[in-house]
Order: sequence, then structure tokens, then C-alpha cells
Amino acid sequence: SQELEQSPQSLIVQEGKNLTINCTSSKTLYGLYWYKQKYGEGLIFLMMLQKGGEEKSHEKITAKLDEKKQQSSLHITASQPSHAGIYLCGADNPSGSARQLTFGSGTQLTVLP
Amino acid sequence: DGGITQSPKYLFRKEGQNVTLSCEQNLNHDAMYWYRQDPGQGLRLIYYSQIVNDFQKGDIAEGYSVSREKKESFPLTVTSAQKNPTAFYLCASSSRSSNYGYTFGSGTRLTVV
Repeated sequence: SQELEQSPQSLIVQEGKNLTINCTSSKTLYGLYWYKQKYGEGLIFLMMLQKGGEEKSHEKITAKLDEKKQQSSLHITASQPSHAGIYLCGADNPSGSARQLTFGSGTQLTVLP
Repeated sequence: DGGITQSPKYLFRKEGQNVTLSCEQNLNHDAMYWYRQDPGQGLRLIYYSQIVNDFQKGDIAEGYSVSREKKESFPLTVTSAQKNPTAFYLCASSSRSSNYGYTFGSGTRLTVV
């Protein structure tokens, strides 16, 4: 089965600083999703990557999938308190007729004002 | 607007009781899922359903049961056989054609008292 390892587990940064969260897969990624979760709430979709070398940006968040499709990174530029939360990566399981996502354990981000 | 509704938001269970968590979606998604989230462990799949009247066990199905009598509804029962039910439970749905992976509900926090 596919396993996703996220690093770091937690991150505390000063407002305005840049940061990067990594997601490494034990198998080739066919679809990699990034979600954000506020404590005690559901997950909000951020971005999806499929192709090796793909990069997507939304506002100050950029996600990349490496050429080998086994690692993805999420980069936040000039962090703000609104970026605080738990970031999770999820990987598509290509086998079977039902979509199934496997998730990493999450990265807890704290942004200090 | 379409979405997933989970209820209740908070639930307290006495030892030996069965409790049922509700999940309703109006997105016309075929597949629905239940995940359990514990601190530092990410999301673990309990059950999923691809179509009405059919469901499959996930990684941690013991002590849980589900039904899928309607496309819109996928309730989860936490039985007395689940020895450590205190957790945050997330319901999700998906469509094979969606680029968003899953759409998540806002979660139910279950506490044993």
C-alpha cells in the first residue's frame, strides 16, 4: 500500500517568513492533493498535481510535484496568520473503480504575528 | 449550494453505547467515505461506498458499521465494540470526474464519557 510521509510534523514561523512543507510517497504519485484544515473543521482543497514537474500557485501558496512523481512540496511566501492550520497531502490510488485517497499525517503550521 | 453536512458537530457517548453519526451530501457524488482523525496520525479510512447498497471496509473498520440506502446518505455507527472511539470523524464524497479529490464535511467530534 502507498504511504505518504510529511515533514516537518509541526512548524512555527514568524509572520512574513517563507516556509516549505514536504510530502514524500513510497510509490509513484498519480494524483497528489493538498488540503488545509483548521482545527476541528473539515479539509479545504488547495491544489491538485498530476504531471511530473508540475507547479501550481494560488495567491501566496505554490505546490510542486517532482519529475519522478514521488515527492511534492508546498511553499508559502510571506506567511500570514491566516495561513495557520494543518496541511495534509493526499495521494490518489489508481487501482480499483473507486477513488481512494491515502493521506499523510499532516503538518501543523503556526504563524506568529 | 452543494456540499456535505455532518451532524452533530459534537457527540458524547457513554461506555457500552452505540452512536450514529450522520453524513448527507447533495453533490450527486457516487462515492462516500468515513475517516477517523487522531492527533498526529492523519486520516485513517474506516469505510467507503461506491454505490447505493454497497460498501467496503477500510483500514480500521472494526467496531464500526455503515449503511448506504440512499445515494445522499452514508451514516456511521460507532458500536460498543470500538474500544477507543474518542476521535474526530470526517465524512467525504467524491466523483471520478472531479479534480478536487474529495469534498469533506465539517466533522463530528466524538467523546466517550
